[in-house]
Amino acid sequence: DSGVTQTPKHLITATGQRVTLRCSPRSGDLSVYWYQQSLDQGLQFLIQYYNGEERAKGNILERFSAQQFPDLHSELNLSSLELGDSALYFCASSSHGGQGRETQYFGPGTRLLVL
Amino acid sequence: KNQVEQSPQSLIILEGKNCTLQCNYTVSPFSNLRWYKQDTGRGPVSLTIMTFSENTKSNGRYTATLDADTKQSSLHITASQLSDSASYICVVSRGSQGNLIFGKGTKLSVKP
Repeated sequence: DSGVTQTPKHLITATGQRVTLRCSPRSGDLSVYWYQQSLDQGLQFLIQYYNGEERAKGNILERFSAQQFPDLHSELNLSSLELGDSALYFCASSSHGGQGRETQYFGPGTRLLVL
Repeated sequence: KNQVEQSPQSLIILEGKNCTLQCNYTVSPFSNLRWYKQDTGRGPVSLTIMTFSENTKSNGRYTATLDADTKQSSLHITASQLSDSASYICVVSRGSQGNLIFGKGTKLSVKP
């Protein structure tokens, strides 16, 4: 158990809908990272938040947005969903803001299926 | 283009045998290279992190090597166990605060 929690574990929705994925980092960690893992793409970095502010951005679509709240939990919002958005979404946390040498601890993931 | 390529795509070995997984990257500027182990349906777990100046790092039966000149890394697993069956992902960090670029992983199956 990494100490990172994600909800829900599974999500089934329809195209065009909007969903929110939630992540609670390990106690004391200030950074939260979001990743998407689909079968043919491997893991892709989406976005990082550090202490409430956006720190780094990866291949995140404009239909997706995220935020980190004062209690450090984070939410990833996915809107106008398409079939291709079906994937595993992982959240990870680390103690500080730099991706440098920090170990990232991954949550169990949310499996999203768009029908 | 910043890319991480891993080989082989999949590998089957017998329990107790050794194996080596390969990672080649074209990421620049390079910050560090990580190996992760991901069990099916679960989040990745960090095995090693190496910076430019480190050419080998061990974690139990796992030993990672890095050749920054040729931009190659390997992960050697010694005396494999059934629990080593997983995907092994090579990840390169770009720049001081840069994005992590993931390889697609090598799926290892250890058979009894």
